[in-house]
Amino acid sequence: NAGVTQTPKFRVLKTGQSMTLLCAQDMNHEYMYWYRQDPGMGLRLIHYSVGEGTTAKGEVPDGYNVSRLKKQNFLLGLESAAPSQTSVYFCASGYGNIQYFGAGTRLSVL
Amino acid sequence: GQQLNQSPQSMFIQEGEDVSMNCTSSSIFNTWLWYKQDPGEGPVLLIALYKAGELTSNGRLTAQFGITRKDSFLNISASIPSDVGIYFCAAPQNFGNEKLTFGTGTRLTIIP
Repeated sequence: NAGVTQTPKFRVLKTGQSMTLLCAQDMNHEYMYWYRQDPGMGLRLIHYSVGEGTTAKGEVPDGYNVSRLKKQNFLLGLESAAPSQTSVYFCASGYGNIQYFGAGTRLSVL
Repeated sequence: GQQLNQSPQSMFIQEGEDVSMNCTSSSIFNTWLWYKQDPGEGPVLLIALYKAGELTSNGRLTAQFGITRKDSFLNISASIPSDVGIYFCAAPQNFGNEKLTFGTGTRLTIIP
């Protein structure tokens, strides 16, 4: 049972480049989430989804887009990366209050 | 928005010591959660609390849901090296409970 899988694990981008982070879960959860984690700031919600075909904004959605075309996948896109988006990104899936996290993607934007 | 204040921000202890940390808010919650993040990994749920005054244990970890519903506490007894990491409290942002607010974390370091 893989749980929540994030790819890639590491990525370096130049300012202005685009990329997509993939999250896959095999627990049949309705809810999926994307967070970013910065030093001293805990986890901040970027976007989330309450079911296939739905997405909603979290606390810090600017500069990011998401899609949930299949229940098991939740994609996070950066259309034009900025140095302020250097962070560790975590995907989670869950039900009710309970969320299960992936191992994270460490992104550096130069 | 709701804010969860964790204290202390960091702790340096010796193996075998007991640890206490807390999480406070100006808002009332109906659920408190405690997560642990190992270095280089994602957070893992340790304990979930659903009732004011509730005391729940998970091995050497014990968490309590504050009676005012505005705080929660986590204790670790007889710490061991694998307890190293960041501990986060979390609570639902809204009535539907599908979004969580996380505290800023307590970083635990064990001194050899």
